[in-house]
Amino acid sequence: DGGITQSPKYLFRKEGQNVTLSCEQNLNHDAMYWYRQDPGQGLRLIYYSQIVNDFQKGDIAEGYSVSREKKESFPLTVTSAQKNPTAFYLCASSIGSATYEQYFGPGTRLTVT
Amino acid sequence: GQQVMQIPQYQHVQEGEDFTTYCNSSTTLSNIQWYKQRPGGHPVFLIQLVKSGEVKKQKRLTFQFGEAKKNSSLHITATQTTDVGTYFCATTDSWGKFQFGAGTQVVVTP
Repeated sequence: DGGITQSPKYLFRKEGQNVTLSCEQNLNHDAMYWYRQDPGQGLRLIYYSQIVNDFQKGDIAEGYSVSREKKESFPLTVTSAQKNPTAFYLCASSIGSATYEQYFGPGTRLTVT
Repeated sequence: GQQVMQIPQYQHVQEGEDFTTYCNSSTTLSNIQWYKQRPGGHPVFLIQLVKSGEVKKQKRLTFQFGEAKKNSSLHITATQTTDVGTYFCATTDSWGKFQFGAGTQVVVTP
């Protein structure tokens, strides 16, 4: 099956801990993205990567970090510096950047208490 | 950067009725994409529009890109309960950065 996997589906952490969310794709897509979605809100771009070993900040990158060491993997770390980390996190990929549609993973719901 | 505004934020529709949701920008857009997110799910790509005045249809859904490429609309005819969800428009800039609208949440009353 081709697609994007995110794990885990639900994640609980204590305040002050860093946590890493996994995103893997086997679609051979060059571009990958991380979004944050809060209840009743749209998608806000955290980071995106158009090629291995390169990534750019999105609109709300503060308190987050990413790496893109392999084409199929784009993990997101939510650091303790992120003031409101509880949210639904969505990973997406596309063949290339700009005019290509995005394919989304099922998401990870992170709760920090 | 460019931003897209969606209206309305919420849409309550009686089953069988038609409705339209809009996506507007103050700047000219290179493209518009539409996505649907079912409750508890993830966004799924519906369509992309790139040409001025472009109109595309998918069964009961009609998508339009404005002549000035500053707005887009999604019209659904004869709404069904399967149309429930949030519809997002999105656009990209030349650097590959996506910008999503806040979405229109659609509730269908049987």
